[in-house]
Amino acid sequence: QVQLQQWGAGLLKPSETLSLTCAVHGGSFSGYYWTWIRQPPGKGLEWIGEINHSGSTNDNPSLKSRVTMSIDPSTNQFSLRLRSVTAADTAVYYCARHGNSYGYFQYWGQGNLVTVSS
Amino acid sequence: DIQMTQSPSSVSASVGDRVTITCRASQGISSWLAWYQQKPGKAPKLLISGASSLQSGVPSRFSGSGSGTDFTLTISSLQPEDFATYYCQQANSFPRTFGQGTKVEIK
Repeated sequence: QVQLQQWGAGLLKPSETLSLTCAVHGGSFSGYYWTWIRQPPGKGLEWIGEINHSGSTNDNPSLKSRVTMSIDPSTNQFSLRLRSVTAADTAVYYCARHGNSYGYFQYWGQGNLVTVSS
Repeated sequence: DIQMTQSPSSVSASVGDRVTITCRASQGISSWLAWYQQKPGKAPKLLISGASSLQSGVPSRFSGSGSGTDFTLTISSLQPEDFATYYCQQANSFPRTFGQGTKVEIK
């Protein structure tokens, strides 16, 4: 059974860097794309980007290249960094993985609320 | 980006009712569509992929249909545990995009 456990700082000031990590328990680490998705309070879901075990990424242009994703296959962990945060980046951030069909998110972390406030 | 538009934004229904939610893509996405259910404080749960393939363990009262630009999620007989928000998502191209959500509320 695949489980995703995520952690990171929950309160940031404007202009700081958001940093989150997701650990994968169970299942294979290679052969999949590992994804970040966020959800502002009371709003819908936004796909941030994905990374595979080789470090190949796809990301959302709306975040204007503020995103860096990294992966460490030796520890079955992957990470998200989002630079120069503003209040608009306040959201619950989820890590996720697709199932047997690429592109559909079957496994999700528990979510981390990240609040940006001065 | 492909825009996903759901309707209605919310629906009030009673246990046992048939509920239909629609999702329209701004351009054709073949059958590259998923439906998710989200309850308050929880991560979304994948219900349907490939527009109509029910995920293992999902009750058969859920069904999906459509292709191209127009898709439908149907709950044939609403149960108490189905009151939640539902999202569609396209997997045809990057960036992946979601509909704005449809909240199914108790009437």
